[in-house]
Amino acid sequence: GAGVSQSPSNKVTEKGKDVELRCDPISGHTALYWYRQSLGQGLEFLIYFQGNSAPDKSGLPSDRFSAERTGGSVSTLTIQRTQQEDSAVYLCASSLPGLRAEAFFGQGTRLTVV
Amino acid sequence: AQSVTQLDSHVSVSEGTPVLLRCNYSSSYSPSLFWYVQHPNKGLQLLLKYTSAATLVKGINGFEAEFKKSETSFHLTKPSAHMSDAAEYFCVVKPTGNQFYFGTGTSLTVIP
Repeated sequence: GAGVSQSPSNKVTEKGKDVELRCDPISGHTALYWYRQSLGQGLEFLIYFQGNSAPDKSGLPSDRFSAERTGGSVSTLTIQRTQQEDSAVYLCASSLPGLRAEAFFGQGTRLTVV
Repeated sequence: AQSVTQLDSHVSVSEGTPVLLRCNYSSSYSPSLFWYVQHPNKGLQLLLKYTSAATLVKGINGFEAEFKKSETSFHLTKPSAHMSDAAEYFCVVKPTGNQFYFGTGTSLTVIP
């Protein structure tokens, strides 16, 4: 596949459960980003990975949120003890390094906490 | 500090008339600038980007944007709106090789 792939595309979970969202970036893209988009809102930055450097976690809203990137490729965003306010579309993007490189976005995972 | 301001949260135009979506940015560096489009229930797609070459940038679907350093603006334009242009548009600044900073978006409505 040539694009950024996210799975699942939709996830409904009960309040208090843990969820894992997966992102497969474009091959060769060293930068990977997670964003959250709530209904009718803009994009909220969550976390950024660049190569083997320590990730920029400054956007994570609480310690219930965590993310890892294994082998510099696939990334998993984990939300523990989900709350209704976590309901949103979670978008993953990847890019080549450098100032001029644009981000390529996946289709997103729509998370609904009931 | 880096920031992006999209001056209009909603823009409504008639089909066949020009489109203007306004974006101002602030950056401590000479940034790259991007416009993305998001159609309903779709992911974000790159429309165009400015990376310090020509100040007038042409993108897909007839859109273009002009980088004006003196005004710190990067407005998006299209001569003639089409119904398929109805979507959410995001202006994005990348001040260094790392982070992207998104505006809050402009919702474009095209009236037939």
